[in-house]
Amino acid sequence: ILNVEQSPQSLHVQEGDSTNFTCSFPSSNFYALHWYRWETAKSPEALFVMTLNGDEKKKGRISATLNTKEGYSYLYIKGSQPEDSATYLCASGTALIFGKGTTLSVSS
Amino acid sequence: NAGVTQTPKFQVLKTGQSMTLQCAQDMNHEYMSWYRQDPGMGLRLIHYSVGAGITDQGEVPNGYNVSRSTTEDFPLRLLSAAPSQTSVYFCASSLQASGAYEQYFGPGTRLTVT
Repeated sequence: ILNVEQSPQSLHVQEGDSTNFTCSFPSSNFYALHWYRWETAKSPEALFVMTLNGDEKKKGRISATLNTKEGYSYLYIKGSQPEDSATYLCASGTALIFGKGTTLSVSS
Repeated sequence: NAGVTQTPKFQVLKTGQSMTLQCAQDMNHEYMSWYRQDPGMGLRLIHYSVGAGITDQGEVPNGYNVSRSTTEDFPLRLLSAAPSQTSVYFCASSLQASGAYEQYFGPGTRLTVT
């Protein structure tokens, strides 16, 4: 079972701040790296699935990059809004193994 | 499409009781999985299936059984419930098992074992 780690565990920012989180994963036998957004009392929803080294994906103010050779991915949120408050999960492996998540709180 | 459905939404069991958590998807997905969510632990993989008739263990399989007799259904069985199995259980599915397809999650089942 592979080890997926995320940092920081939690983060509190002010509205309008930009922020980023890190996901690290084993670089050997890499298949794909997933990012999910998980709001309280809801189910996780996919943000990105990334498969290629150097890949960069964007959805609105949220973007992600992937480095498969060194085994890390960054998730960026530009101009954070209160509605961005959620836990952000990354996962890797053919049977997806999740990190423990980064919980983001955005104050207005 | 209903997506991924789970029943029941809530359940309380006594220690030693058995029950089955139901999961179904109507998207013709090959891959299905079960996770449990515990505070501070994120989502941990219990069992998964890459297709009908094929199942395998995840990170925390002890105390749980699964079967996959059809593409649509992937029930999770607790044979003898223990308080340590108090958790929120999520079922998920994706198109194929390669890991390159996003997973769709059900609404979850909140289980309490007393």
